[in-house]
Amino acid sequence: GEDVEQSLFLSVREGDSSVINCTYTDSSSTYLYWYKQEPGAGLQLLTYIFSNMDMKQDQRLTVLLNKKDKHLSLRIADTQTGDSAIYFCAIGDNRLAFGKGNQVVVIP
Amino acid sequence: DAGVIQSPRHEVTEMGQEVTLRCKPISGHDYLFWYRQTMMRGLELLIYFNNNVPIDDSGMPEDRFSAKMPNASFSTLKIQPSEPRDSAVYFCASRPSGTGDSEAFFGQGTRLTVV
Repeated sequence: GEDVEQSLFLSVREGDSSVINCTYTDSSSTYLYWYKQEPGAGLQLLTYIFSNMDMKQDQRLTVLLNKKDKHLSLRIADTQTGDSAIYFCAIGDNRLAFGKGNQVVVIP
Repeated sequence: DAGVIQSPRHEVTEMGQEVTLRCKPISGHDYLFWYRQTMMRGLELLIYFNNNVPIDDSGMPEDRFSAKMPNASFSTLKIQPSEPRDSAVYFCASRPSGTGDSEAFFGQGTRLTVV
């Protein structure tokens, strides 16, 4: 099955940029996703990227995809305290495989 | 639409008891997923349904776990008998057919504690 790996923890100062990384094994998925989970809540889709794209920008979010290295990253510019959450990358078309999540703590 | 609705939000039960978790997907969504989240293992897919039919249950940990989807608007995940190691947050998610912008919507989860 799909194997999705993420680093587990990141702390960042408010106003700085955050970069969260993800590696995966299966390159056949059409789309790759980033989900955000706030405390006590379910996961919400933040953004996604089509597998034939290298980059997608959505306001403060930039997704980079390196298909050769099977590496996906999410950059959050001007990180805010409301960005404190767990971020999951997910791969798959019908069935999504999730990484274990990367907890981001924003320090005021 | 109210989104994916799960009940109960919290469940505390004694080891050996039967536990039933419930999910109402978003109307019109063809896919329904059950996930389990723990600190140790992260988010694990247990089972998913397409048009009420179980497609892949390879993530169901043991025979103690069973899931049903009797109709398009309701699914249950049952644990019988429950054990302390089943303690986790269980999420239900639904999505329409297609990919990309057909995102999976998650319920708020059921936090299960087995003592």
